[in-house]
Amino acid sequence: DTAVSQTPKYLVTQMGNDKSIKCEQNLGHDTMYWYKQDSKKFLKIMFSYNNKELIINETVPNRFSPKSPDKAHLNLHINSLELGDSAVYFCASSQDGTGNTIYFGEGSWLTVV
Amino acid sequence: QKEVEQDPGPLSVPEGAIVSLNCTYSNSAFQYFMWYRQYSRKGPELLMYTYSSGNKEDGRFTAQVDKSSKYISLFIRDSQPSDSATYLCAMGAGKSTFGDGTTLTVKP
Repeated sequence: DTAVSQTPKYLVTQMGNDKSIKCEQNLGHDTMYWYKQDSKKFLKIMFSYNNKELIINETVPNRFSPKSPDKAHLNLHINSLELGDSAVYFCASSQDGTGNTIYFGEGSWLTVV
Repeated sequence: QKEVEQDPGPLSVPEGAIVSLNCTYSNSAFQYFMWYRQYSRKGPELLMYTYSSGNKEDGRFTAQVDKSSKYISLFIRDSQPSDSATYLCAMGAGKSTFGDGTTLTVKP
């Protein structure tokens, strides 16, 4: 029974398209995150939500819009995809918003061509 | 300058070796320190977590934190091929900042 699940796992799309990645956690955690990992393995936080409220919004282009319909779900919508958006996107959750003991999903591999 | 610097690797060791993975940091406000392990094509999984300076042991893994020197280490004893992965240090206070990762290969 997967704790943090995200779909799709692989996504290949053309520049200019709009795509969404969905995430769900069944751990009962209050806080959810989106992280981006580039080709050099650098993992950087994009957003965090605590009980559906946006807590952290790093310097991410406006083309990226998270949506949290409830505290168990955090989706990521990306408009007008660019080549530089190619990366692995990880959804994650933690019990509280302190940012420690984070549980990650399996990742969504996005390739923009 | 990055807040968290991690020894870049890659690191290749024979099975049974003791492995040392290291990170330094510059932000004195960091309150908690973690090590994650990431297998290829998988998400990071939490290995060790500590608040304080000193050592914390869990099986073959020991996490060491020296706040005065702003230095953390992860030691793996009796390393196994199944330990082959990328290891990420992380630390923070409110949000986690990750190191760039060290890729470890343990050869049978």
